Amino acid sequence: EPEVTQTPSHQVTQMGQEVILRCVPISNHLYFYWYRQILGQKVEFLVSFYNNEISEKSEIFDDQFSVERPDGSNFTLKIRSTKLEDSAMYFCASNEGYAGQETQYFGPGTRLLVL
Amino acid sequence: AQSVSQHNHHVILSEAASLELGCNYSYGGTVNLFWYVQYPGQHLQLLLKYFSGDPLVKGIKGFEAEFIKSKFSFNLRKPSVQWSDTAEYFCAVIPGYSSASKIIFGSGTRLSIRP
Repeated sequence: EPEVTQTPSHQVTQMGQEVILRCVPISNHLYFYWYRQILGQKVEFLVSFYNNEISEKSEIFDDQFSVERPDGSNFTLKIRSTKLEDSAMYFCASNEGYAGQETQYFGPGTRLLVL
Repeated sequence: AQSVSQHNHHVILSEAASLELGCNYSYGGTVNLFWYVQYPGQHLQLLLKYFSGDPLVKGIKGFEAEFIKSKFSFNLRKPSVQWSDTAEYFCAVIPGYSSASKIIFGSGTRLSIRP
């Protein structure tokens, strides 16, 4: 069964550094998402992406964040200058994009630790 | 604001006990409803979903959930739990039909099963 994959599984970085989290959505899916889960808190939506554009973004997704689909398979989340409070598990998700098929399939996550 | 409430933060049961996890959402329009499960050390997996039709939906591993529109509820049930059901369970909502729509997650219920 096709799966969403994410790399790396863990990332440790210094405050102020740039990080890029990578995701490979399921191949025939059209909509892509990033969510995050700070330890002990609920999963929060960051951004959705369709047709090479951001469809929706949350208040969390400020100018420090950006997303890109650089080629036909990867979907990346970049944090330009990491802050301590960016430490979280970041999940990528994708869905087929057809009406009635709004199920989002999640990747295993990247655990980001900002020191 | 749209929100999802899960009433129990942590539930502890013995094997073979029956399970019901509560979930309420605040959104007056059409919704797609989900339960996701996160086993220890693993990523979010879809347990079951409701889009339309029969309000009693059956999912994997013997789980089911009932959508009660008048109560804005989507409670998860299982008649007899097993030790392997130990996990965190997230109720989630996508308001409306847009494929770009974000998932709104509840805060999760941690389920611990005593052997």
